[in-house]
Amino acid sequence: DVKVTQSSRYLVKRTGEKVFLECVQDMDHENMFWYRQDPGLGLRLIYFSYDVKMKEKGDIPEGYSVSREKKERFSLILESASTNQTSMYLCASSPPPAGGHGYTFGSGTRLTVV
Amino acid sequence: GQNIDQPTEMTATEGAIVQINCTYQTSGFNGLFWYQQHAGEAPTFLSYNVLDGLEEKGRFSSFLSRSKGYSYLLLKELQMKDSASYLCAVRDQTGANNLFFGTGTRLTVIP
Repeated sequence: DVKVTQSSRYLVKRTGEKVFLECVQDMDHENMFWYRQDPGLGLRLIYFSYDVKMKEKGDIPEGYSVSREKKERFSLILESASTNQTSMYLCASSPPPAGGHGYTFGSGTRLTVV
Repeated sequence: GQNIDQPTEMTATEGAIVQINCTYQTSGFNGLFWYQQHAGEAPTFLSYNVLDGLEEKGRFSSFLSRSKGYSYLLLKELQMKDSASYLCAVRDQTGANNLFFGTGTRLTVIP
C-alpha cells in the first residue's frame, strides 16, 4: 500500500513562528500536493510539485512556501504563522495523472496557531 | 475555472439506500473521483468515472453523465460505519490535471 506520512498529527504554534510541516511518501510518486481543509470550504490547494525542486502555486499560496529537495519528501513552510492559518493540513501524492489514479492522502496535521 | 456542488448534509437510515449528487462545471474534464473521509481522518479513494455510466464496487456505485456535468454516489445497505463525509473531485486538464474538490457531503446514518 502507498503510504503518505505526515510528521505530526497535532501541532500548536505561536503567532509569528516559522512552522515546518513534513510529508513523506514511499511509492516513488512524482506528484505531491499540500491542501488545507476548513469547514464549509472543503479542500483548497496550497502548492503542488511534479518533480524534485519543482513547485507550483495552487489556489491559496499566500503565507506559505514549499520545498522538495528529494522525490519522496514535500515540506510546507509557514513563514510567519498567523491565527488564520489554523486549519487541517493534508498532504497527498499521486503518479502522473492517467486513468483512475487519484491521490493518496496522509493522515493530516491539525495546526493551531495561538 | 471549476465549480463543484454537492449537498452539505444528508441523513439516512441503517439498511437503506442513499444517493449523493454532485454537479460540476469545468473546462477540461478528465475524470471524476469520489472519496470518503471519516471525521479527523484522511480522505480515502472510493471510485473513479471518466466515461458515462455506472461503475459498481460492492455496496458503492458511482454514476457519471458528462453532458449534464453530473455524478452521483450510491450507497446500498447502509451501515453505521458509512457515516462520513463524501467528497466529489474533478480532474481538470486545463488545471494541470489536478483534482478539484467539492466541499463534501456529511452523511449521518441513523439506526
